[in-house]
Amino acid sequence: GALVYQYPRRTICKSGTSMRMECQAVGFQATSVAWYRQSPQKTFELIALSTVNSAIKYEQNFTQEKFPISHPNLSFSSMTVLNAYLEDRGLYLCGARDGGLGNTLYFGEGSRLIVV
Amino acid sequence: GEKVEQHESTLSVREGDSAVINCTYTDTASSYFPWYKQEAGKGLHFVIDIRSNVDRKQSQRLIVLLDKKAKRFSLHITATQPEDSAIYFCAATSSGQKLVFGQGTILKVYL
Repeated sequence: GALVYQYPRRTICKSGTSMRMECQAVGFQATSVAWYRQSPQKTFELIALSTVNSAIKYEQNFTQEKFPISHPNLSFSSMTVLNAYLEDRGLYLCGARDGGLGNTLYFGEGSRLIVV
Repeated sequence: GEKVEQHESTLSVREGDSAVINCTYTDTASSYFPWYKQEAGKGLHFVIDIRSNVDRKQSQRLIVLLDKKAKRFSLHITATQPEDSAIYFCAATSSGQKLVFGQGTILKVYL
């Protein structure tokens, strides 16, 4: 079945430093990848949507300068949180869609960012 | 833009009973409605979805109903088991790309 692996599971970083997280699709080709952040209150925000062969589309309040994303092939994506501060805390979830299996978005276990 | 409301913030059911979680949405163009389960400290696990061309879908103990007129959809978990305890999120999308999530329902199945 479709599996999505995310790494690292958890990072504690000092305020003002950066964290890079990776997302690997296994068993399918991730034609699009969506990065979400889940707040400590459990609500979700879409950060950006990356579709192979298209420009990465960032949502309002999120920028490439702060959350640069790479999606070099159909199985891998990475995102960095630059200059992390308290408001960047949360669980960063990568959702990958298999173009051949319809709209289902499969998520990984998330990368939790703790800022101290 | 789309807004999804999840009506039950918490739900407690006895093992073996059914649990029903209700969601409403605002965008009439929404056509795809997935449900996800999140266990403590974990990511989102896809459980079932429904598309707007049907009004009912079943997968084992899970049933999803969609009422397009009322812009409402629901997840029914029959014969609940303790391992069904988790937070359940509904979501909706019109484009198939951007999912809008509900606030989550904490389901507790007790013995």
